Amino acid sequence: EVQLVQSGAEVRQPGESLKISCKVSDYSFGDLWIGWVRQMPGKGLEWMGIIYPGDSDTRYSPSFQGRVTISADRSISTAYLQWNSLKASDTAIYYCARRPDNPVPAIYFDLWGRGTLVTVSS
Amino acid sequence: QSALTQPASVSGSPGQSITISCTGTSSDVGGYYYVSWYQQHPGQAPKLIIFDIIKRPSGVSSRFSGSKSDNTASLTISGLQAEDEADYYCCSYAGSWWVFGGGTKLTVL
Repeated sequence: EVQLVQSGAEVRQPGESLKISCKVSDYSFGDLWIGWVRQMPGKGLEWMGIIYPGDSDTRYSPSFQGRVTISADRSISTAYLQWNSLKASDTAIYYCARRPDNPVPAIYFDLWGRGTLVTVSS
Repeated sequence: QSALTQPASVSGSPGQSITISCTGTSSDVGGYYYVSWYQQHPGQAPKLIIFDIIKRPSGVSSRFSGSKSDNTASLTISGLQAEDEADYYCCSYAGSWWVFGGGTKLTVL
């Protein structure tokens, strides 16, 4: 069964760095894009960015450009979302989601991870 | 970029039909045939229920249907059931990225 397995909940202080992960199981890492979506407490979904692990092509929403970094490690079928300096306003659930790329690039996200809760508090 | 505009809440009785609108611009909803809809129950991850405006993934009930006119997309749920109570989000491709709607809470009375 294809799954996106996300890393566990994290608690950090403002100013700290963080890298969360999304591991793809039972699916070719070269046949998909991985997107990241933020959901702040009690709020809606916000699209952050996306990566194609095949060539590391990465796109960001203008709202998140420069604030986060998306990367991937093909050798372990894992995508990452990282911050260099967290703020309290980064407190949210972060979901990774699959955009299939085979046979043609889909323009939707058909499989989602369970989410990683990030809490930033002093 | 701005979020797509959805009504904050809609409600309906079991068996009725409801429609949720999703309004964007010519740079997103109006410019592409790539609107998708996601259902999210409390404490769960979103689930894809409509893609490419009108298509349903395998396993999604035919009670869910989508449409689009100009800059507004719509999700219709017919024959409302208690398990349809959830948050619904539209999402549109916008050229190099995607944009979500603010979400609509569906209450089944």
